[in-house]
Amino acid sequence: EAGVVQSPRYKIIEKKQPVAFWCNPISGHNTLYWYLQNLGQGPELLIRYENEEAVDDSQLPKDRFSAERLKGVDSTLKIQPAELGDSAVYLCASSLGIGVPNTEAFFGQGTRLTVV
Amino acid sequence: SQKIEQNSEALNIQEGKTATLTCNYTNYSPAYLQWYRQDPGRGPVFLLLIRENEKEKRKERLKVTFDTTLKQSLFHITASQPADSATYLCALYSGYALNFGKGTSLLVTP
Repeated sequence: EAGVVQSPRYKIIEKKQPVAFWCNPISGHNTLYWYLQNLGQGPELLIRYENEEAVDDSQLPKDRFSAERLKGVDSTLKIQPAELGDSAVYLCASSLGIGVPNTEAFFGQGTRLTVV
Repeated sequence: SQKIEQNSEALNIQEGKTATLTCNYTNYSPAYLQWYRQDPGRGPVFLLLIRENEKEKRKERLKVTFDTTLKQSLFHITASQPADSATYLCALYSGYALNFGKGTSLLVTP
């Protein structure tokens, strides 16, 4: 079975431009996470979905970031407009869900964003 | 505020030795603690989960301890190999959100 799939793997954009990242979680996983990871740092949670409902989005900079998870499966994270400081790796992860607490999270390979 | 602290300095050890990595946490009351491995350019991969009532958990050459009084977990790799070189991340749940430490980079030299 395929793991968590993210695309694109790499993205280079000019500042002030929009960008979008896509994530397809493992089939049957109700929980989906978006994390941001800067070089030498651990993943920082941006938003967590339980099915199609966004929860734990307090760390998402809502002035420029938005996310959606239509039908509770795939998810898209968008930045508009991008700033130089947004350069980082954006990781998507999924897990079984709150009905099975404290289970492991499965991560995609991430999207490396460079804003120039 | 909640914190998960791991040694920020890289750990360099010789092949065959035991590597010991530390994870300390504050303002968490975890029932579980997880360890992940991350290789360059890849997402983290789950290694082990230990419950609060388990003092120690083993998996092959890996051993994890969990001391809820000290608020600390130790992660050991015995008979280390160059292939063990990676960044190791400690993770805890806050509610249903999984939070990570910064990770410790391990380099095993032949």
